[in-house]
Amino acid sequence: EDKVVQSPLSLVVHEGDTVTLNCSYEVTNFRSLLWYKQEKKAPTFLFMLTSSGIEKKSGRLSSILDKKELFSILNITATQTGDSAVYLCAVVGGATNKLIFGTGTLLAVQP
Amino acid sequence: NAGVTQTPKFQVLKTGQSMTLQCAQDMNHEYMSWYRQDPGMGLRLIHYSVGAGITDQGEVPNGYNVSRSTTEDFPLRLLSAAPSQTSVYFCASSTTKRETQYFGPGTRLLVL
Repeated sequence: EDKVVQSPLSLVVHEGDTVTLNCSYEVTNFRSLLWYKQEKKAPTFLFMLTSSGIEKKSGRLSSILDKKELFSILNITATQTGDSAVYLCAVVGGATNKLIFGTGTLLAVQP
Repeated sequence: NAGVTQTPKFQVLKTGQSMTLQCAQDMNHEYMSWYRQDPGMGLRLIHYSVGAGITDQGEVPNGYNVSRSTTEDFPLRLLSAAPSQTSVYFCASSTTKRETQYFGPGTRLLVL
């Protein structure tokens, strides 16, 4: 069965800390891996990764994919309270090429 | 630019009632999908459509029907609501299945 597993389930950090969120997957017919940020409402897109070893960056956020070891990490440096959210990892793949979500990591950044 | 819109934002139903959750997008996306999000379960795919007139089941389709008569609209119907359908429902669209999906704001449904 195709699955996406995220860790940790939740974490609490202080402003200025650096955090690393993990996403591992077992998905047949892998196409791409996506990271989303979900605050109070709908998920918003962060990154899409398709190739191993190529880091994607956007400000203080960065992400990289390892297709050999079947995982991705999302790094957030110099965290701010506005980074508090659920971070979702999803993989496009499976028998019907659908988006398969992990359960998310809840990040709380304290002042 | 409206993007993906959903109505209503919040709904309370009694067990056995029926209702339709509306979803529309103005980006001319071919692929549209419905997810439900429950605590500890993540986002689970209910139904999806790869274009007007074409729909297919996702991971948790039971108790829900969909149709896709136009590219813009993808309504989700609950035929006979059950408490197990209490959830937050998200509609999403993208140009193809493999591209980034854009999510609507969600509909929070409570079935008593």
